[in-house]
Amino acid sequence: DTGVSQDPRHKITKRGQNVTFRCDPISEHNRLYWYRQTLGQGPEFLTYFQNEAQLEKSRLLSDRFSAERPKGSFSTLEIQRTEQGDSAMYLCASSLRQENTEAFFGQGTRLTVV
Amino acid sequence: ELKVEQNPLFLSMQEGKNYTIYCNYSTTSDRLYWYRQDPGKSLESLFVLLSNGAVKQEGRLMASLDTKARLSTLHITAAVHDLSATYFCAGPTPYNAGGTSYGKLTFGQGTILTVHP
Repeated sequence: DTGVSQDPRHKITKRGQNVTFRCDPISEHNRLYWYRQTLGQGPEFLTYFQNEAQLEKSRLLSDRFSAERPKGSFSTLEIQRTEQGDSAMYLCASSLRQENTEAFFGQGTRLTVV
Repeated sequence: ELKVEQNPLFLSMQEGKNYTIYCNYSTTSDRLYWYRQDPGKSLESLFVLLSNGAVKQEGRLMASLDTKARLSTLHITAAVHDLSATYFCAGPTPYNAGGTSYGKLTFGQGTILTVHP
């Protein structure tokens, strides 16, 4: 499969626990994006990487959130001390750097904080 | 800051009928994207509209872009049950450091389409 892959697909955690999600982009894509989607809303941009550099973070990304892309390939998104408000679908997307390209989305990780 | 508004937000259609979803956006953009999302699933790219006057068709769906009016439409012809899903439009959003990428997107609220017999 050559699409964007995310793991796990579902995660249920207790409030206060840490969770980590993984995203494997399409192999030749050097840009990688994280989005968050809450129920009934469109996805909201969180952060993006170009290769291993994290070039932008949204104000939505509080200090409890950290994202990495250590070798410019896969990326991880960690949420520390989860809160119920973190419950959402976390989507990863990747694209080429060139102008006239689109981003392709993974299946998402659905997080439920209880 | 780009704002994207869709209407209607909820659309209940009978099979065989036609309807249009509208997507208005607040600042100049030379392109617009349409995505489909099934419940609990990720986003599937439907159309990439790259210029003013662009029109694309795939099956019973046709999308168009009018950059002067800052309006895109998604027209559904002779709806069938399989088209039931949520449809999003999205526009590219400038990076804080300048420049625009077509992966940093601002999405509309989505239109939940239900097609019934």
